[in-house]
Amino acid sequence: GENVEQHPSTLSVQEGDSAVIKCTYSDSASNYFPWYKQELGKGPQLIIDIRSNVGEKKDQRIAVTLNKTAKHFSLHITETQPEDSAVYFCAATFSGSARQLTFGSGTQLTVLP
Amino acid sequence: EPEVTQTPSHQVTQMGQEVILRCVPISNHLYFYWYRQILGQKVEFLVSFYNNEISEKSEIFDDQFSVERPDGSNFTLKIRSTKLEDSAMYFCASRPGTSFDNEQFFGPGTRLTVL
Repeated sequence: GENVEQHPSTLSVQEGDSAVIKCTYSDSASNYFPWYKQELGKGPQLIIDIRSNVGEKKDQRIAVTLNKTAKHFSLHITETQPEDSAVYFCAATFSGSARQLTFGSGTQLTVLP
Repeated sequence: EPEVTQTPSHQVTQMGQEVILRCVPISNHLYFYWYRQILGQKVEFLVSFYNNEISEKSEIFDDQFSVERPDGSNFTLKIRSTKLEDSAMYFCASRPGTSFDNEQFFGPGTRLTVL
């Protein structure tokens, strides 16, 4: 089955700096890669996703890049703000299945004011 | 904006007791999921449900677990005889089900504590 590795487990940045979180996946059949943000006491919320036919996607301060050959994808947050502080999870799935998500282990991002 | 809801938010039970966790998916969604998250660990897939039957399940989803969609709105997860290691956050999620709709919408979760 799919295995997703995520690094780092914790990340502290100064407000205004950029944050990068990296994930690798094992199953070359995976073709959909979402990123979720989880705030304390809440369920995961999708912040951005990318399909395997695209190398990069951007939404305001958030971007995701995908390298299919190397089987890794990354989340980039620019101009970080204190409200970006949360746990971020990457995930992978294959659209030919029931599309159950395989999650990474999460990154606790802390943005210091 | 439509959202997935879950009840209760926190459930405390004694080991060996049965619990039922309830979810109301977004109304026009077709695929439903249960995931769990043990404290401090990653979110893990349990089961997916489509067209009134299980479509996929993980090795975690053994005979003590069952899912049901008893009416047109609720989606339940039953744990027949709870164990200490079942203590976790349980998340329900739903997805529209069209070819291009991959996004899964998660509920706020039920924290299950088994004593």
